[in-house]
Amino acid sequence: GQNIDQPTEMTATEGAIVQINCTYQTSGFNGLFWYQQHAGEAPTFLSYNVLDGLEEKGRFSSFLSRSKGYSYLLLKELQMKDSASYLCAAPNAGNMLTFGGGTRLMVKP
Amino acid sequence: NAGVTQTPKFRILKIGQSMTLQCTQDMNHNYMYWYRQDPGMGLKLIYYSVGAGITDKGEVPNGYNVSRSTTEDFPLRLELAAPSQTSVYFCASSSGTAYGYTFGSGTRLTVV
Repeated sequence: GQNIDQPTEMTATEGAIVQINCTYQTSGFNGLFWYQQHAGEAPTFLSYNVLDGLEEKGRFSSFLSRSKGYSYLLLKELQMKDSASYLCAAPNAGNMLTFGGGTRLMVKP
Repeated sequence: NAGVTQTPKFRILKIGQSMTLQCTQDMNHNYMYWYRQDPGMGLKLIYYSVGAGITDKGEVPNGYNVSRSTTEDFPLRLELAAPSQTSVYFCASSSGTAYGYTFGSGTRLTVV
């Protein structure tokens, strides 16, 4: 089976940096996804990591440590529009994603 | 390019009624999925399909049925609606693990 844990809520200030953590336990490893979901909308793809290390995409970066079963999403120069839920997800060998409960990020002025 | 299209966007059902949630994708993806998302929670897999004519149960299949007669369409059928099925339903498709999912815009269902 697959188990994914992430904090329920986080609050940060506009312009700051925030790190959203995710720990996972999977039977086999097929990579790790991060999705962003604004309230009332569908999830949208942010990143996919299969190798250890940090991958940077503009203001967003994602880190993976396979030996520790750990990932984080790093958001820099926070903007109000970054207020959303961030979902960590792991695929099994059959390409089915198991999602964590999501981290609701609130960005304050 | 429409991507994944879900209809309807909103629906209110009475207990015991039935309905079909429609999902169509135009990206020729083999993999299609139905998830439900309860308020403040993550997504839970209801059913999935790896190609036309092939479907299988996910984590929470009870009370639902699916079919996949074509690559494009993957409808979800609710029989005898119950209040516990009040949720937001997302359809998604994928061409393979490394490409992630493309989600539809969701169907918000309330059973009263």
